[in-house]
Amino acid sequence: EIVLTQSPGTLSLSPGERATLSCRASQSVSSSYLAWYQQKPGQAPRLLIYGASSRATGIPDRFSGSGSGTDFTLTISRLEPEDFAVYYCQQYGSSLTFGPGTKVDIK
Amino acid sequence: EVQLVESGGGLVQPGGSLRLSCAASGFTFSSYAMSWVRQAPGKGLEWVSAISGSGGSTYYADSVKGRFTISRDNSKNTLYLQMNSLRAEDTAVYYCAKDEGPYCGGDCYSDYWGQGTLVTVSS
Repeated sequence: EIVLTQSPGTLSLSPGERATLSCRASQSVSSSYLAWYQQKPGQAPRLLIYGASSRATGIPDRFSGSGSGTDFTLTISRLEPEDFAVYYCQQYGSSLTFGPGTKVDIK
Repeated sequence: EVQLVESGGGLVQPGGSLRLSCAASGFTFSSYAMSWVRQAPGKGLEWVSAISGSGGSTYYADSVKGRFTISRDNSKNTLYLQMNSLRAEDTAVYYCAKDEGPYCGGDCYSDYWGQGTLVTVSS
């Protein structure tokens, strides 16, 4: 099973700042089968990024994904008030596992 | 607009059973695999089970294999999860999710999710 580690656990930032979230896999994720989800309290997860760097339908271009192999990054270029949430990475190249999440909260 | 609405959650005693349903609309249901993903209170996401678009192939996490059964009725656009021999560690919000294609078996991302239904296993 591929284990995903996300860092930092919590990221405290102000609106307008840039957020950089990391997801590291215990072994290489085949074909960059890596997705990112956003989850707000009491809500379902929302798909942001799939294939490591492709934005899902309706996702603003301030969200971008990059990386390959074992190291992946989600970047939010300028945080909007609605972006404060928990972000999960997921690999789907070998069975399916989720990372523990990164909480982005308001500084 | 894709909509997924779960139902059937509730309080059940350890060893008991529960059947979850997920009513789907806004897409051609039979053309997509579907998954169940759960989230224990205050915890992260855990994939539970998936079923192909035709219903002919099913997949389970080791933690639920032999206890849970996923199924679908494409004539009713509905996904099910039959949960037997429930344990305290099965307590979670259960989400149904639409997968990216018809043949996913725990190896696809999910592009739409329902709001979830809470299952509490306690005496």
